[in-house]
Amino acid sequence: AQKITQTQPGMFVQEKEAVTLDCTYDTSDPSYGLFWYKQPSSGEMIFLIYQGSYDQQNATEGRYSLNFQKARKSANLVISASQLGDSAMYFCAMREQNYGQNFVFGPGTRLSVLP
Amino acid sequence: GAVVSQHPSRVICKSGTSVKIECRSLDFQATTMFWYRQFPKQSLMLMATSNEGSKATYEQGVEKDKFLINHASLTLSTLTVTSAHPEDSSFYICSARARGQGFPEAFFGQGTRLTVV
Repeated sequence: AQKITQTQPGMFVQEKEAVTLDCTYDTSDPSYGLFWYKQPSSGEMIFLIYQGSYDQQNATEGRYSLNFQKARKSANLVISASQLGDSAMYFCAMREQNYGQNFVFGPGTRLSVLP
Repeated sequence: GAVVSQHPSRVICKSGTSVKIECRSLDFQATTMFWYRQFPKQSLMLMATSNEGSKATYEQGVEKDKFLINHASLTLSTLTVTSAHPEDSSFYICSARARGQGFPEAFFGQGTRLTVV
């Protein structure tokens, strides 16, 4: 079974608008971390935001915020005031405490910001 | 954030030759490094996890004799693709986690695009 699901293969958003990228996850581990990474066409993976399973508040980093709904096992990324430079692939990832240090990545969502 | 440098960024090699890719953590000690492979328009697939001073742990289906991983120091891990074939052409990317607290995320290198001709 997929541990990380991203149901939107592609998304379009108008410049300066907000956009939500969906991510749901599956784990029985009580301790885990959720991450979002951005991958532009050049290929590097850029860390955006992190949410720990025990964190009470939703994580925010500048224009990025993570809408963490633990009971629903969802960790959606919200990008406010989209910019043309936000066009990229976005990957949701999870690391589980009891399953070593490695990350499991979702299939990704390609975001295109329209001028 | 911390910096991970991966080299080379692009390499073209002939079938049957070997290629070495380096992954260095520049400003932190990386007790664990990960190697991923990414096919076009797909997600990252973990190939192996390497811990400094010990043998790498390979994911199921990854040939350890073909993809040699060495993590000789706390700042350097290498992936050698031996006897490369065209089907090994892919994007390879490493990541590293810092020793100690404060860095829950992994930091990624820039990736290496390997083309075997």
